[in-house]
This record gives sequence, C-alpha cells and structure tokens, in this order.
Amino acid sequence: AQSVSQHNHHVILSEAASLELGCNYSYGGTVNLFWYVQYPGQHLQLLLKYFSGDPLVKGIKGFEAEFIKSKFSFNLRKPSVQWSDTAEYFCAVNYGGATNKLIFGTGTLLAVQP
Amino acid sequence: NAGVTQTPKFRVLKTGQSMTLLCAQDMNHEYMYWYRQDPGMGLRLIHYSVGEGTTAKGEVPDGYNVSRLKKQNFLLGLESAAPSQTSVYFCASRARYNEQFFGPGTRLTVL
Repeated sequence: AQSVSQHNHHVILSEAASLELGCNYSYGGTVNLFWYVQYPGQHLQLLLKYFSGDPLVKGIKGFEAEFIKSKFSFNLRKPSVQWSDTAEYFCAVNYGGATNKLIFGTGTLLAVQP
Repeated sequence: NAGVTQTPKFRVLKTGQSMTLLCAQDMNHEYMYWYRQDPGMGLRLIHYSVGEGTTAKGEVPDGYNVSRLKKQNFLLGLESAAPSQTSVYFCASRARYNEQFFGPGTRLTVL
C-alpha cells in the first residue's frame, strides 16, 4: 500500500540549531514529493516540491530537501532554525495516476526555543 | 485572487444534525479535494473531484457526501453528524504541476 512515514513526531530545538526531518515513502514508481508547513492556527502552505531533475530542492524560508531515490527518502533540512519556524511539518507524496491524490505523513511538530 | 476559501470557519453541531461545508476556488483548477485533519493522523482524504460534475471516494468517505455542480465550488455534506466527525476540515485544489493549494480550514465540533 502507498504510505508516507515521518519518524520524528515531536522535535524541540534551540534557535540557530540545525534541523533535519525525515520522510520515507513506500515504493510506487515515479513520484512527486512535497513538504508543507502549518503554522499554529493556519492552513497548510507549500514549503518546497520535487518533480524531477536536481534531487536537492530549495524552498522558501531557507528550507531545502534532498530526494534520495535509492532510500525512498525526502528529508527536510534547514541549517539554522528560528523561533518563527515553530510549526507542524508534513511530508506528502503524489504517486500519480488520474486522481493525483496526495498521501500525507502524520506530521512532525517542531518547537523552536528562543 | 482569493485562492481557496472555506465557509464557515467554525461550527458546533449536535449529534444527528446536518450541515454543508463550502469550498470555493478562483484559480480555475480542475481537481478539488476534501481532507480531515486529526491529531497524530496527518491529513486524510475524504472525497475528491477531478472535474465539474464528478466526485469520488477517498480514504475515509463514510458519513460524508460531496457535490461539484460548478467547477469553482466543492461542497462537503454531513447528513447526520456524529462525535467522531469532530475535526478540522481542509479543502484543496490542484494546480497544474500536482501542487495542491489549501483553504484556511473549518473547525467542526459535534457534541
């Protein structure tokens, strides 16, 4: 079955620390990969996306992610987090097909302490 | 350009009552989706539509119905609300390259 796993459910960091959030997906051929962020009380916003080409993708607010096909992974990184990065982060995978449904991970809640 | 909008933002229902959530998008997207978000479970797809006049079941469709009479609108109905349907509901529409845009959400409580 198609599935997406986010292994870190809750992460607490101090400002300026580096961040890496894991995302793994089950095999399904060609995929499109996304990271969304949800700030407290707000809706989901796209951080970055991967469709093809360079496996290192840069997104907004200094975030980047690396697609490693052999590991079925799409980990999110940021070299130095800020208090304003406190939010919930969702990895999502589109396995294609006519419906273009997104399969979401269960989310990682990031708390950045000032 | 408002993107994806949802009404209402909040609603409290009693068990057995019915209601309709409205999603509207002004981006001329073909695909629209309804999700529910529950703590620790991420987003789960309820129903979706690949175009005007079409609907299909997602991962958790039971207890919900949908309609897409106009391209820009996607309605989610609860015929007889249950406490298990207490959740935050998000609507999304799909852009050209599989990127989904989300609405602000509707927080529903069923007592």
